[in-house]
Amino acid sequence: DQQVKQNSPSLSVQEGRISILNCDYTNSMFDYFLWYKKYPAEGPTFLISISSIKDKNEDGRFTVFLNKSAKHLSLHIVPSQPGDSAVYFCAASALGAGNMLTFGGGTRLMVKP
Amino acid sequence: DGGITQSPKYLFRKEGQNVTLSCEQNLNHDAMYWYRQDPGQGLRLIYYSQIVNDFQKGDIAEGYSVSREKKESFPLTVTSAQKNPTAFYLCASSKGEIYEQYFGPGTRLTVT
Repeated sequence: DQQVKQNSPSLSVQEGRISILNCDYTNSMFDYFLWYKKYPAEGPTFLISISSIKDKNEDGRFTVFLNKSAKHLSLHIVPSQPGDSAVYFCAASALGAGNMLTFGGGTRLMVKP
Repeated sequence: DGGITQSPKYLFRKEGQNVTLSCEQNLNHDAMYWYRQDPGQGLRLIYYSQIVNDFQKGDIAEGYSVSREKKESFPLTVTSAQKNPTAFYLCASSKGEIYEQYFGPGTRLTVT
């Protein structure tokens, strides 16, 4: 039973355009959400996060939106660059679960020059 | 500079042998984690440790064992009981109440 789902295994975007990566969750106890970026044969690196008390968090070209009623979050990358090509994982933490994270299956983003 | 190191990067073993993967951090983080990633899949939690001398099973602990004798070190042993040990193994750490986990570079284990 996957509590965090990334339904698009891959996404292809033209350089300079917007990339939108989506994530859905089922556990209403999740109160903190994170996005990680991963290159092949490397560990994931933390990208951006959002608390459930907010609906938007922005950091440079990266913006995360949270829709709690729909149990949905998305990561927007504007403008997309070829170096953004990687696998993106969303992760969630539940209230009272300490630092435990539940990860989605990942979306492979390919940004074409 | 601080970080998480995992060694070796690639590891090859024969079926039936136990193998230990190293994970060391100098970030002064309290919590450490082991994940497994299979091709096309997300990260699945094997074991985690919130403090020294204490650890808990994650979602897929069967066939694995860990120890946490020092704050900096959290080695993972893949035993012969693990049915599908070939995978990419990731170690992570986090500090106290902070949610963000920081990952090491990973170890790719191949068992034949």
